Amino acid sequence: AQSVTQLDSQVPVFEEAPVELRCNYSSSVSVYLFWYVQYPNQGLQLLLKYLSGSTLVKGINGFEAEFNKSQTSFHLRKPSVHISDTAEYFCAVSAFIQAGTALIFGKGTTLSVSS
Amino acid sequence: DGGITQSPKYLFRKEGQNVTLSCEQNLNHDAMYWYRQDPGQGLRLIYYSQIVNDFQKGDIAEGYSVSREKKESFPLTVTSAQKNPTAFYLCASTKGTGGQPQHFGDGTRLSIL
Repeated sequence: AQSVTQLDSQVPVFEEAPVELRCNYSSSVSVYLFWYVQYPNQGLQLLLKYLSGSTLVKGINGFEAEFNKSQTSFHLRKPSVHISDTAEYFCAVSAFIQAGTALIFGKGTTLSVSS
Repeated sequence: DGGITQSPKYLFRKEGQNVTLSCEQNLNHDAMYWYRQDPGQGLRLIYYSQIVNDFQKGDIAEGYSVSREKKESFPLTVTSAQKNPTAFYLCASTKGTGGQPQHFGDGTRLSIL
């Protein structure tokens, strides 16, 4: 069965510092991987996705992620964060289930950016 | 603009009451999903539907029911059998399978009176 582990539940950083949010996945088949962001009391917004090809994926708001098959990781990075990046971030893997596919989510990482 | 509309934004349930959460999409997506979000738990799949008039249980379907009579609509009923319904509920949709990302509504927050 596929699963996702987000290694940090909370990540506090100062504004303009770099940040990495870590995600490991478990899968015996080819994977599609996603990062989503959630602001308070809102739905999830897609940051970026990995389907195939280049292992470095660029997304919105200056975020990027690197797919590492040997380490089964898909870490999210940003070289310089802003206060407005404060949110919860979810890593997800696409899983084949009965009659279709669904996303398996990690438990989330809360990014807190302070000045 | 196309998107997913969830209503109401806030909902309160009395003891023994069934309540229905609405989810409508105008993205012409085939598949629709309901997730439950609790603090520190991530998102857990309640029900999903790949086509009209067909749906399957997810990981935590007990105490919930759904219908898919139209492609655009996928309402979720929280029944009185769900003893701990307080949570944030998210509806999502996607065009196809595999690598297509899911699009999410803004959620409904359900609380117990």
